[in-house]
Formats: sequence, structure tokens, C-alpha cells
Amino acid sequence: KAGVTQTPRYLIKTRGQQVTLSCSPISGHRSVSWYQQTPGQGLQFLFEYFSETQRNKGNFPGRFSGRQFSNSRSEMNVSTLELGDSALYLCASSQDGQGETQYFGPGTRLLVL
Amino acid sequence: GENVEQHPSTLSVQEGDSAVIKCTYSDSASNYFPWYKQELGKRPQLIIDIRSNVGEKKDQRIAVTLNKTAKHFSLHITETQPEDSAVYFCAASQGNSGYSTLTFGKGTMLLVSP
Repeated sequence: KAGVTQTPRYLIKTRGQQVTLSCSPISGHRSVSWYQQTPGQGLQFLFEYFSETQRNKGNFPGRFSGRQFSNSRSEMNVSTLELGDSALYLCASSQDGQGETQYFGPGTRLLVL
Repeated sequence: GENVEQHPSTLSVQEGDSAVIKCTYSDSASNYFPWYKQELGKRPQLIIDIRSNVGEKKDQRIAVTLNKTAKHFSLHITETQPEDSAVYFCAASQGNSGYSTLTFGKGTMLLVSP
């Protein structure tokens, strides 16, 4: 099976802009989780989607949002970008998200200038 | 919510030595504990995981132990090799609770010198 894929791999934006990142899970996986990775804070949970519904949300401002489509592909959107949003955004998929192995994508590296 | 502490933040060993990384968690409801290895510029890869109904699990040179009472778990790597050099993350999750949220430790940078 193909692994988790993310597009784009790299992105440069300026403050105030918005960005949309995409994640395609492993075929058959219905749970997609998003994480932000920074050198200072490590890996932090953003939100999880299962069957097109947000099932859990981390402690991030409302500028961070996401959605999941019927084919389990997921997108996350960050509006009104701030310098501190510069990070590696990782998505991970699992079959149903209940204590199963999560497989990570390669990530999207976002730089906000 | 869950909080995971990981120590040490950096660990340098000689090739052939053993390496131990320790994590503690705060939520007694957590019952799934994976370990991920992340090489520079690459995605985190699962190397081993353990569930709360097991005290120890081994896979070749890698082992994980879990002490539910003390709420800590450890990664043991024996006969380290230069290719083991990477950042290792522990995580905790409340599996079977209807959702999957991994809370990660801050990571340990392991450097294995030849």
C-alpha cells in the first residue's frame, strides 16, 4: 500500500495570508490526525478527523481548522498567518484511530515571513 | 489532559553500548505507548509500541518496558549502531476511548559515535 502523502512539501507565505495543506491517508484508513512540529514545542496535536467529523481538537486557536472528505483525504487551513506558525505540519493516519498505530506523512514545511 | 515528560533530551553513546530513554505520563487512563524514531529531514517512524496489559516487549535490539503503577515507560536499545542516531519520541494515548490523540514527549536526540 502507498504510504501517507502530503502536499505541498514546502511552502513560503507572508504574515496575514492563509494556507491550505493536504493529506492523503493510507488506503482503508479512516482516521487522520494533524500535528505541528517545532524545535521548541516538539510535536503538538492539532485535531483528528474520522468519517468526515472532527473527533478531537488540541489547544490551538481558531485560525487553525480542518476538514475531511468522504474519501478520507483531509485538509487543514491556517488563516491570518503569524510568524510563529512556521513549523513542520505532519498528518498521520490509522484505521479507526482507537489506539492503533499512526503512520506519518512526510510533512509540509511552512515558513511564514 | 495528558502530559508526557521525556529524559534525557540528548544522549551520546559509543557504538556497541546500550541506550535508555525514559518517559513518564500523567493520565492513568492512557493505555497505548508508541515510540517513534525521526531521522533528520524525515517523517517519524514507529519502532515499537506497548499496551497497558503488557509489561515488556522486545524486537531484536529494541525493547520497551512499562510500569503502570509508577506511570513510566522506557526504551532500551542494545548494541547501538551509528544508524541508530536520530531523535526518538515517546507518546501516550487513550486507545479505545473513541478517538486517537497521541501526546508526545519533547524528544531525545541520540548520537552513536563509531
